[in-house]
Amino acid sequence: GAVVSQHPSWVICKSGTSVKIECRSLDFQATTMFWYRQFPKQSLMLMATSNEGSKATYEQGVEKDKFLINHASLTLSTLTVTSAHPEDSSFYICSAKQGATLTEAFFGQGTRLTVV
Amino acid sequence: GNSVTQMEGPVTLSEEAFLTINCTYTATGYPSLFWYVQYPGEGLQLLLKATKADDKGSNKGFEATYRKETTSFHLEKGSVQVSDSAVYFCALLYNFNKFYFGSGTKLNVKP
Repeated sequence: GAVVSQHPSWVICKSGTSVKIECRSLDFQATTMFWYRQFPKQSLMLMATSNEGSKATYEQGVEKDKFLINHASLTLSTLTVTSAHPEDSSFYICSAKQGATLTEAFFGQGTRLTVV
Repeated sequence: GNSVTQMEGPVTLSEEAFLTINCTYTATGYPSLFWYVQYPGEGLQLLLKATKADDKGSNKGFEATYRKETTSFHLEKGSVQVSDSAVYFCALLYNFNKFYFGSGTKLNVKP
């Protein structure tokens, strides 16, 4: 199956700093990537849909200026949490679409962000 | 709107017990249905899927049947193992465009 890799797997940062999370499709080109946030014991919440070469589409209630998404190439999308605060601590997961039609999702291993 | 409801956990079973995790959905049209599994500290892995009514998805001893009449996609396994301990997510794919996930059910299998 298609492989999606996220980096880093975990990160601890100080309040007020920014942190960047990378999502790469290793063996296919992903025109579209998705960013999710998962709260403890809860489901995945779609934050935004990222299309290569264009601006990301954010879900309602997600702050665009807080969560910057860049999809500069067909194999890489990045999520930058700006001016992080403890309430941003969460598990962030990306997934990628293989091909023109979304028929299933391939997920990265997730990034555990802890803001102290 | 579209949504997925699955039974709350945690579910605790002894090894070799029978497993059922209930999942029902609400959707317009004809979505595809999925079960994903998440092991501790990892992302989600596809377990099985079904794309149309009456399809049965199966993998690693798990199976689920797409029931349009009851809008359900219950996950079953005849004999669970300790290694099956994980969180299981039911999901629907609407219009080949967006996934909707259930809240997840944690399964603990004891030796």
